[in-house]
Amino acid sequence: QVQLQQSGPGLVKPSQTLSLTCAISGDSVSSYSAAWNWIRQSPSRGLEWLGRTYYRSKWYNDYAVSVKSRIIINSDTSMNQFSLQLNSVTPEDTAVYYCARDREIDAFDIWGQGTMITVSS
Amino acid sequence: SYELTQPPSVTVFPGQTASITCSGEKLGENFACWYQQKPGQSPVLVIYLDTRRPSGIPERFSGSISGNTATLTISGTQAMDEADYYCQAWDSRTAVFGGGTKVTVL
Repeated sequence: QVQLQQSGPGLVKPSQTLSLTCAISGDSVSSYSAAWNWIRQSPSRGLEWLGRTYYRSKWYNDYAVSVKSRIIINSDTSMNQFSLQLNSVTPEDTAVYYCARDREIDAFDIWGQGTMITVSS
Repeated sequence: SYELTQPPSVTVFPGQTASITCSGEKLGENFACWYQQKPGQSPVLVIYLDTRRPSGIPERFSGSISGNTATLTISGTQAMDEADYYCQAWDSRTAVFGGGTKVTVL
């Protein structure tokens, strides 16, 4: 049974960096048939895909245009997890953040529990 | 940017059929999928690749595609189906979500 467990602080100050980690159990971050995604949800923006990382002989990343200049998604094969860094946050980045798996079905079949992130001083 | 359009709300009586549409100019070229989300919970995949149902999803959930419109149908709707439903598709290596449809079971 695949599970994703998110961790990270719930409060971030404006202009600082938001950091979240998603630990994977029951699958591998370096699987050739999976991609590992970050998605956020807010009342104003709805569900918004942020980006993904995946391994196909080497690591690849895709990022949403809206955050491309501020986002980094990394993988850690020793810990079997992946992470999100979002730089220079503003109150508009306040949202529930989810990690999710796409197992080559063009859909997110496994989701983390969600982390409420508030950007406030 | 690519957009997926859903009706904001759908109301249905128990036992009746609820249909939720999702329109987007590249649907039909790219697969659509659907998620159910209840308050305070993470989304759950209920339909993928336009019409396929993940294991554990009841048979009353079905998906279809016609032209540029994908449809999620809930047959014999139950009170437990009251939730928000989102469509999603990929375009140029970017995932796009619809705005969501709130299904109310009266």
